[in-house]
Amino acid sequence: DTGVSQNPRHKITKRGQNVTFRCDPISEHNRLYWYRQTLGQGPEFLTYFQNEAQLEKSRLLSDRFSAERPKGSFSTLEIQRTEQGDSAMYLCASSPWGQGPSANEKLFFGSGTQLSVL
Amino acid sequence: EDKVVQSPLSLVVHEGDTVTLNCSYEVTNFRSLLWYKQEKKAPTFLFMLTSSGIEKKSGRLSSILDKKELSSILNITATQTGDSAIYLCAGASGAGSYQLTFGKGTKLSVIP
Repeated sequence: DTGVSQNPRHKITKRGQNVTFRCDPISEHNRLYWYRQTLGQGPEFLTYFQNEAQLEKSRLLSDRFSAERPKGSFSTLEIQRTEQGDSAMYLCASSPWGQGPSANEKLFFGSGTQLSVL
Repeated sequence: EDKVVQSPLSLVVHEGDTVTLNCSYEVTNFRSLLWYKQEKKAPTFLFMLTSSGIEKKSGRLSSILDKKELSSILNITATQTGDSAIYLCAGASGAGSYQLTFGKGTKLSVIP
């Protein structure tokens, strides 16, 4: 168990460019979540997957954002036409949903990708 | 809309002090209350509380949930500089996604 892994750790981009982040969850975890965290705030829910199915998207997730989990393992989060307001830490988390009474909401987080849009 | 409020937002204490961090929540279909510690990047899990009045302990840290008052506290005794971090409280909804609604966190600084 190597924990939740996210790449890259840091991304600096110019406004208008597209960026893609990757998340590798803990291998036996079937749920994967994306959260966004800005300075001085707690993480905010963006979207989640149950295996390969994307089951919910927050209204924070504009149509410039797209997330995939094609084989139910790793996930990618793409932001198109980045804006300065997209600058934030993007956190990925996974959980062993359905694998025990206390497992569902106990999320394990990765170290995040810090995005800076210039 | 679900809401979690933490207080204080920041706290500076000396090593050896005892601190109490507060969390209040309004979460639809409330299922559980979680505490995380965030040092550099990744929030790490501390406690999950589902039942009122039952204290959970781990070393110098302890936490308790009051479902009547919709609140929780996190206590840290004999603080150490390694306890310096942001402590996040989150309410879990039991409907659908089990997503967590986080508070802004309490930034704890422990000085020698």
